[in-house]
Amino acid sequence: TQLLEQSPQFLSIQEGENLTVYCNSSSVFSSLQWYRQEPGEGPVLLVTVVTGGEVKKLKRLTFQFGDARKDSSLHITAAQPGDTGLYLCAGRGRQGAQKLVFGQGTRLTINP
Amino acid sequence: NAGVMQNPRHLVRRRGQEARLRCSPMKGHSHVYWYRQLPEEGLKFMVYLQKENIIDESGMPKERFSAEFPKEGPSILRIQQVVRGDSAAYFCASSPIQNSNTGELFFGEGSRLTVL
Repeated sequence: TQLLEQSPQFLSIQEGENLTVYCNSSSVFSSLQWYRQEPGEGPVLLVTVVTGGEVKKLKRLTFQFGDARKDSSLHITAAQPGDTGLYLCAGRGRQGAQKLVFGQGTRLTINP
Repeated sequence: NAGVMQNPRHLVRRRGQEARLRCSPMKGHSHVYWYRQLPEEGLKFMVYLQKENIIDESGMPKERFSAEFPKEGPSILRIQQVVRGDSAAYFCASSPIQNSNTGELFFGEGSRLTVL
């Protein structure tokens, strides 16, 4: 069974600070995605990373896939209250696999 | 173009009753996934279906739970003889035919089941 461990599980910081969320596994993933979930809603895709070492930027968010494709990180610069939410990493194992395995999530709160 | 539609949004059942959760995928999507989420936790995979076929049910409890995706109509997740531990949010997601390895899952807003 492939598992994804996210850390920290809870993070509360002040507006304007920087933060990094980690997603780790002992398994190799063919691709990894980050989703964001608001209360009462379903997750929404932020980014997909495929190549080991890949870095993608989405405004103030920077996503990185580890060289060995076993881990990923999400870095937010100058966090805003609107960044508050549950951030979930999710991975697919073998190439062509349809099932997406999710981490337990990081609950992020940005205080004004 | 409507998104993934789930109903009911909220369902209350007493122990021993049956719960039926419905999911209509996005137009043009023929793959449906069901996930369960407990408070403050991530999503746990339950089952992956295509029209009239169960492709992967490795996350489904062996008893009381079943899922179908008929040729016509929505996908249905059925929980028989519910127990308090079944209380959770159940999310449905869909993807297009021949979704690639990097394809996005489009999620509904979830059905929240409370068992009294």
